[in-house]
Amino acid sequence: AAGVIQSPRHLIKEKRETATLKCYPIPRHDTVYWYQQGPGQDPQFLISFYEKMQSDKGSIPDRFSAQQFSDYHSELNMSSLELGDSALYFCASSLGLTNREQYFGPGTRLTVT
Amino acid sequence: GDSVTQMEGPVTLSEEAFLTINCTYTATGYPSLFWYVQYPGEGLQLLLKATKADDKGSNKGFEATYRKETTSFHLEKGSVQVSDSAVYFCAPLFNAGGTSYGKLTFGQGTILTVHP
Repeated sequence: AAGVIQSPRHLIKEKRETATLKCYPIPRHDTVYWYQQGPGQDPQFLISFYEKMQSDKGSIPDRFSAQQFSDYHSELNMSSLELGDSALYFCASSLGLTNREQYFGPGTRLTVT
Repeated sequence: GDSVTQMEGPVTLSEEAFLTINCTYTATGYPSLFWYVQYPGEGLQLLLKATKADDKGSNKGFEATYRKETTSFHLEKGSVQVSDSAVYFCAPLFNAGGTSYGKLTFGQGTILTVHP
């Protein structure tokens, strides 16, 4: 079965650079969630979208922005990168807001040097 | 506020031993409850779920029962295998007053290592 696709899988950036992470949800899934997992930490919710509209917002820095496109894929844009942004970024998708099962992608490992 | 507390690790067991990983939550409403597993170098996989009181989720020999009276969702397995070595996350989905849509709150994660 098709799963959530994230690209790139690995990304290395320098401080103050920008990065764009992409997420392609499972076909027919219309809801996308972004989570950040720091080294040795539990995943923290950043932001979510349902039907191309932001549905919830968590601990996402103002330097980050995200959107969901008409084909339901989502992009997380990160600017003015800091060393502390180094983490694993997960995208998850679900079918609708009331379907509670979220399926996660393999993650993008971002390293800021 | 809503929160989750998960048993601290790491947990080290021998193959075929019994496993329990404790998870308790504090919530103003009635969350849906999930266990996710993260194998080394991989993403998060949904292991099992329970959406209402007394529901029992089960998968791959793992079980967890939604206990409303004790606000708990402990993960158990009767006989662990080396291949079960991973990090396990308890993750309630809180929905207070209908203002939160689907965001999971993860516990601290428990590292399980199973030796042959």
